[in-house]
Amino acid sequence: GQQVMQIPQYQHVQEGEDFTTYCNSSTTLSNIQWYKQRPGGHPVFLIQLVKSGEVKKQKRLTFQFGEAKKNSSLHITATQTTDVGTYFCAGSYGGATNKLIFGTGTLLAVQP
Amino acid sequence: GAVVSQHPSWVICKSGTSVKIECRSLDFQATTMFWYRQFPKQSLMLMATSNEGSKATYEQGVEKDKFLINHASLTLSTLTVTSAHPEDSSFYICSARDLYLGSAEAFFGQGTRLTVV
Repeated sequence: GQQVMQIPQYQHVQEGEDFTTYCNSSTTLSNIQWYKQRPGGHPVFLIQLVKSGEVKKQKRLTFQFGEAKKNSSLHITATQTTDVGTYFCAGSYGGATNKLIFGTGTLLAVQP
Repeated sequence: GAVVSQHPSWVICKSGTSVKIECRSLDFQATTMFWYRQFPKQSLMLMATSNEGSKATYEQGVEKDKFLINHASLTLSTLTVTSAHPEDSSFYICSARDLYLGSAEAFFGQGTRLTVV
């Protein structure tokens, strides 16, 4: 079945440092989404990437979708304490229901 | 954004009993809802896809007789954990998409923390 892996599992940074998490799918994706989950909370949608090689930015966050549509990355510039949480990529492989398969997640800790 | 309400937010039950969890889309119609299970510090594992008016589609390894899913209306899906055991203790989360609008975003319920004692 489809598997979506993320690295690193955990990253601890000083406030102001940059952060990147990488997402890899075992098979080609239809599209990929990114979610953020705060401790004790539920996942919140950040963005969707559809096109091969697509790059999208949201303020300090930059999202990329690989040319082969099998990998993606999320880069945060100058992290803030509010960035703390677990970042999940979620791959969609098409089909009628377009179910999402979540990646293993990267827990980001930001030290003030 | 759209709201998905999940109830209860937490429940403690005795081993052998059944627990029903509700997932409602409050301001949109969801022909499809998804049920996930999340263990502490782990990812969300897709359990099943709930389809309005038809049988749910279960992921490999998920016991359909153990986790009963009913999606009787366009705004409500329920997950019943039957004959619960301590190993069923987990965080269960539902999500829904407003497919009529072609929205890609999945809206998540608040989750239900189930503890079986």
